Amino acid sequence: QKEVEQDPGPLSVPEGAIVSLNCTYSNSAFQYFMWYRQYSRKGPELLMYTYSSGNKEDGRFTAQVDKSSKYISLFIRDSQPSDSATYLCAGGNNRLAFGKGNQVVVIP
Amino acid sequence: EAQVTQNPRYLITVTGKKLTVTCSQNMNHEYMSWYRQDPGLGLRQIYYSMNVEVTDKGDVPEGYKVSRKEKRNFPLILESPSPNQTSLYFCASSQTSQNAQYFGPGTRLLVL
Repeated sequence: QKEVEQDPGPLSVPEGAIVSLNCTYSNSAFQYFMWYRQYSRKGPELLMYTYSSGNKEDGRFTAQVDKSSKYISLFIRDSQPSDSATYLCAGGNNRLAFGKGNQVVVIP
Repeated sequence: EAQVTQNPRYLITVTGKKLTVTCSQNMNHEYMSWYRQDPGLGLRQIYYSMNVEVTDKGDVPEGYKVSRKEKRNFPLILESPSPNQTSLYFCASSQTSQNAQYFGPGTRLLVL
């Protein structure tokens, strides 16, 4: 079993909709969690960093971590065509484990 | 500008011909790492380095070597490349192993 599981999608939504992305993880030693955004032919760029459980908000993006259920979520409000990308979740303790990525397409 | 750079960005080679992919960061980060990204498999860690002269295996180290002689550089060496090492490679760095990692632009490698 992979340490971080992520449904690869793809997920298509109309512009302005809320995008909801989820991951589960199996390693209870994970202390920190991240979401990365990766555009085609580019390197992953950090979107959100969360240490332990809780919510974190940054503009239109909200990350949630529930350590009791080993669940990681990312919400994108008022989605824009520029949000079309692959989103990678990751968890770690001394090193990171990544999900396979979730392709999101926002349709104008 | 704070960044991680990789060279070359694209490389076509033949089986068995040794190659090196360079990685450099200008953020004075202690932690550096190499990943490969393959369709359906996601990002998998090859090797990582907690600091100068300290390296360790990740999830898929077979066929790769690394060295960390200076803080800013972390080259990835393929002594005898094989076609199953055709992939997209990313270098990443962070202040420590528990901080967010910053990725380079990637190196696309094709081994014939």
